[in-house]
Parts: sequence; structure tokens; C-alpha cells
Amino acid sequence: EVQLVESGGGLVQPGGSLRLSCAASGFTFSTYSMNWVRQAPGKGLEWVSYISRYSSAIYYADSVKGRFTISRDNARTSLFLQMNSLRSEDTAVYYCAREADYYDSSGHFDYWGQGTLVSVSS
Amino acid sequence: QSVLTQPPSASGTPGQRVTISCSGSSSNIGSYYVNWYQQLPGTAPKLLIYRNNQRPSGVPDRFSGSRSGTSASLAISGLRSEDEADYYCAAWDGSLSGVVFGGGTKLTVL
Repeated sequence: EVQLVESGGGLVQPGGSLRLSCAASGFTFSTYSMNWVRQAPGKGLEWVSYISRYSSAIYYADSVKGRFTISRDNARTSLFLQMNSLRSEDTAVYYCAREADYYDSSGHFDYWGQGTLVSVSS
Repeated sequence: QSVLTQPPSASGTPGQRVTISCSGSSSNIGSYYVNWYQQLPGTAPKLLIYRNNQRPSGVPDRFSGSRSGTSASLAISGLRSEDEADYYCAAWDGSLSGVVFGGGTKLTVL
């Protein structure tokens, strides 16, 4: 059974940093690209970042470019999101999602984690 | 303001057919596949339709998708109370080099 379990969320002050993790199991992690998608309270979905199978291709939404860094450890079957210079508008539930398409990012996410809440407030 | 435009709400009675639209541009829907997600209250999104009109295993054939030009649609036939949820369209955008979502449509089953 495919499982994606996010962790690392919490309350952080504006300007602070946080590192999210996503532990993957039930599939061969290294053969799938991965994504982070977030959802602000009461709002819609917003794609955040994509990383290919061996980290050769990485994309970011303009809203997080230069502040967030996506990475992965295939040996540990884990996905990460380092978030720096956090702002109040980064407050959201952050989901990791598996990319179903083999060759590139397409918005085709076949499995999602349960999400972890990040709150940015003083 | 979302790159893909969806109506904020839709409704229908049990048994009815409902459609939800998703409007984009040549840099996203006009050039790339459209995917649809269902999000039940308090849960993570679930893939409903991929590559414009393909259903993952386990998704009832009451759900169908289509794409024409720079627009796409999700149709739900034989509406059921458990279909009450938020629905999102998504696609790759070649100009933005990223995935874009619609703002979401809240479906109410009356």
C-alpha cells in the first residue's frame, strides 16, 4: 500500500525557517518524481514545488522561489521541503504528492499524504 | 486569482447530471493534459480524472472528463450525496514552468 506521511509542521514566527519531511513507503521511491502542494485555511490548492526522480529537474512556484528548497533522499525514501524567510501567507497545510507521469511534471498526482500544518505568526 | 478559472459553486439534486468547467489558456489546458481532483471535507485531495478523460481504478464511471481547446469539463452523472465535495482542475503551464490549479468548485447536493 502506498503511504506518504508528512511531518515537521508547526508554529513559526515570520522570517523563521522550518523543514518539512515526507516519508514514503509501499512503492519504489526512486522511480517516482514528487511534489509539494499547499492549501491555505479555507482556500484552494496551490502547487509549490516538483523534484524529479534523481533530482535532475526541480521547479518552484514563483511565490516560493528563492525561499524554499525541495530535496529528496532516495536511500531513506524521503522528500523534504526547507522553508526559509517564512511569511504569514505561507500558512497552509502542506501535502506531499506523488507524480504519476514518468517523464515530467504534469499535475497528475496519484497519491497524496494527509498533510502537515504550517502556521506563520508572531 | 487562479490561472485556471472554475465556478466557485455548483449544485444538483440526487440523480441529476452536473458539469464543472475549467477555463485556461494556450499555455496550459490548450497544450497539456488536464487532471481533476476531489476533496471531501477535512481530507486530502484524491485523483479523479487524469490526462483529460482517464479514470483511475476505483473511480466510478459516473465521473467523466473532457477537454476542448483551452477549456475542460468534469461531468458527474447520477449525482449522489457522497459527491458533495470541492473539485479542482490542474494542468502544467509551459509559460510559468509549473503546475496550475483552478480555484476550486464547491459541489452541493441538494
